[in-house]
Amino acid sequence: DGGITQSPKYLFRKEGQNVTLSCEQNLNHDAMYWYRQDPGQGLRLIYYSQIVNDFQKGDIAEGYSVSREKKESFPLTVTSAQKNPTAFYLCATSTSGRGYTQYFGPGTRLTVL
Amino acid sequence: GQQVMQIPQYQHVQEGEDFTTYCNSSTTLSNIQWYKQRPGGHPVFLIQLVKSGEVKKQKRLTFQFGEAKKNSSLHITATQTTDVGTYFCAGDNNDMRFGAGTRLTVKP
Repeated sequence: DGGITQSPKYLFRKEGQNVTLSCEQNLNHDAMYWYRQDPGQGLRLIYYSQIVNDFQKGDIAEGYSVSREKKESFPLTVTSAQKNPTAFYLCATSTSGRGYTQYFGPGTRLTVL
Repeated sequence: GQQVMQIPQYQHVQEGEDFTTYCNSSTTLSNIQWYKQRPGGHPVFLIQLVKSGEVKKQKRLTFQFGEAKKNSSLHITATQTTDVGTYFCAGDNNDMRFGAGTRLTVKP
């Protein structure tokens, strides 16, 4: 997890604004993931990418978008279409597919005012 | 689709008491993983179970995978304050799913 950077740790935005959360890794892992965590609901998958220039929707992709132009980077954009964007967002990586051990970044807590 | 249920949602114990969290899947799993998230932190991988009936131990933690590979448990013997956190299971069947987690608090 020391090789995954998410910044900033806390982020505040006004309602109606798009915001991009960064996730960078130096673990040379192929797969990267974005999860959303709300109290009492565990981790819900937003998007994941197994290789560069390819990504798939998770369970709650609506209102979010991603890109994977580089192996090291998997930014997540929370758009104004996301109805309840305030949450804790976690980025994770794994060496390969989804069944492999996932390593999590420190997370970004997004608050939309 | 595949669902992973985890119980209990919360557990409060006195230091020294034992603790168990259970994970149940609607489908047979190829493997199950356990993670721990300390308050204010991020999930950290603990262990992976792959074989039917597998039991693994890490000091005071015992992990079991059911014979049918649909359920799993994590048992902590003689809890300590350092065990505080939320424990998640994650079941994989070509589509990994996290349980909702069990939040453990320990009273010293």
